[in-house]
Amino acid sequence: SQQGEEDPQALSIQEGENATMNCSYKTSINNLQWYRQNSGRGLVHLILIRSNEREKHSGRLRVTLDTSKKSSSLLITASRAADTASYFCATDLDSNYQLIWGAGTKLIIKP
Amino acid sequence: DAGVTQSPTHLIKTRGQQVTLRCSPISGHKSVSWYQQVLGQGPQFIFQYYEKEERGRGNFPDRFSARQFPNYSSELNVNALLLGDSALYLCASSLLWDMNTEAFFGQGTRLTVV
Repeated sequence: SQQGEEDPQALSIQEGENATMNCSYKTSINNLQWYRQNSGRGLVHLILIRSNEREKHSGRLRVTLDTSKKSSSLLITASRAADTASYFCATDLDSNYQLIWGAGTKLIIKP
Repeated sequence: DAGVTQSPTHLIKTRGQQVTLRCSPISGHKSVSWYQQVLGQGPQFIFQYYEKEERGRGNFPDRFSARQFPNYSSELNVNALLLGDSALYLCASSLLWDMNTEAFFGQGTRLTVV
């Protein structure tokens, strides 16, 4: 079963523009993580935000978390061609031993 | 430092066969998790092992089994392969058993069942 759902499913923007992806989830969480996947290969961890945090930054990435709305957003500023990838949100559950993933947002950066 | 390594990278098997996938975690990581990712979907949790013990199991049939060795490497076995088992199998290692820490993923094993 999927806990997170990303929105939009696909996003195509011009290089230099900002990209925003959203994630909604269903149950209470301890943390939410964002990962990037290039061309169906391994996943790369981007940011982990805990349930008591509202915003986190890492370089050109900004993640927000709204636990009252059970949603998170990932903002990539000043996008580059290398940002072209699929982006996934993943949440833990009370069991704590597994990550539950959404279906991902496919981001294409046009030169 | 070497990252998470998985072998083989690609595999083609026939329906009904058995397959073994291997994963070596990052040095010092005692937790290994396995995920199945079907094309166009997010990963689905299969197993987690920590300190050689199974900590969790996802909603997969008994045809799927795994184990973790004393050096913390792990194997995922799938018996009686079905066409629907075709997927990217991902291994992730982490320092702790719970998911409050970053998980590091290998590049995956692409399994094709024909």
